[in-house]
Amino acid sequence: EPEVTQTPSHQVTQMGQEVILRCVPISNHLYFYWYRQILGQKVEFLVSFYNNEISEKSEIFDDQFSVERPDGSNFTLKIRSTKLEDSAMYFCASSPSRRDFLGGYTFGSGTRLTVV
Amino acid sequence: LAKTTQPISMDSYEGQEVNITCSHNNIATNDYITWYQQFPSQGPRFIIQGYKTKVTNEVASLFIPADRKSSTLSLPRVSLSDTAVYYCLVLTDKLIFGTGTRLQVFP
Repeated sequence: EPEVTQTPSHQVTQMGQEVILRCVPISNHLYFYWYRQILGQKVEFLVSFYNNEISEKSEIFDDQFSVERPDGSNFTLKIRSTKLEDSAMYFCASSPSRRDFLGGYTFGSGTRLTVV
Repeated sequence: LAKTTQPISMDSYEGQEVNITCSHNNIATNDYITWYQQFPSQGPRFIIQGYKTKVTNEVASLFIPADRKSSTLSLPRVSLSDTAVYYCLVLTDKLIFGTGTRLQVFP
């Protein structure tokens, strides 16, 4: 079964540092997403990406965040200057279309980001 | 944006059928209902999706009445490994997760 692959699985970074979280979506999927989940809280939408541009973003996704699909296979989330409150699990997801499909989104297993 | 309401938690025993009902009173005509499962420290996993009536796959069944204001996820003969959080979502242009239903299955 095709998978969404995320690296690294864990990352510890100092406050103020930049981090890049990487994702390899399923190859024939066209829509890509980042979500985050702070420990013990619900899964929160950050951003959706289609056709090499952001389709939609939440209010969490401020100027500190950016996404990129640099080479047609990777999909990255960059946090420019990390804050303690950015500590969370970050999930990448992909889907073949935005709606009207039967297979759902496929989520990766996540990157646990710890900001110290 | 259609809000969903589902029980915070449910308990069951191995071998029983579990039904989790979700209400989505403000669902729009074009929206689908979709259910995901999440284990601790893992990403959500798609279970089933439907528009109306009944959908069944190898894992679960989804019942949606004609007015589409609610839906019921049915898990036949649960096992300990079905202990997880189950999310009911209305699929618009993205998935917006609520707090889900924490299902605990006991031996």
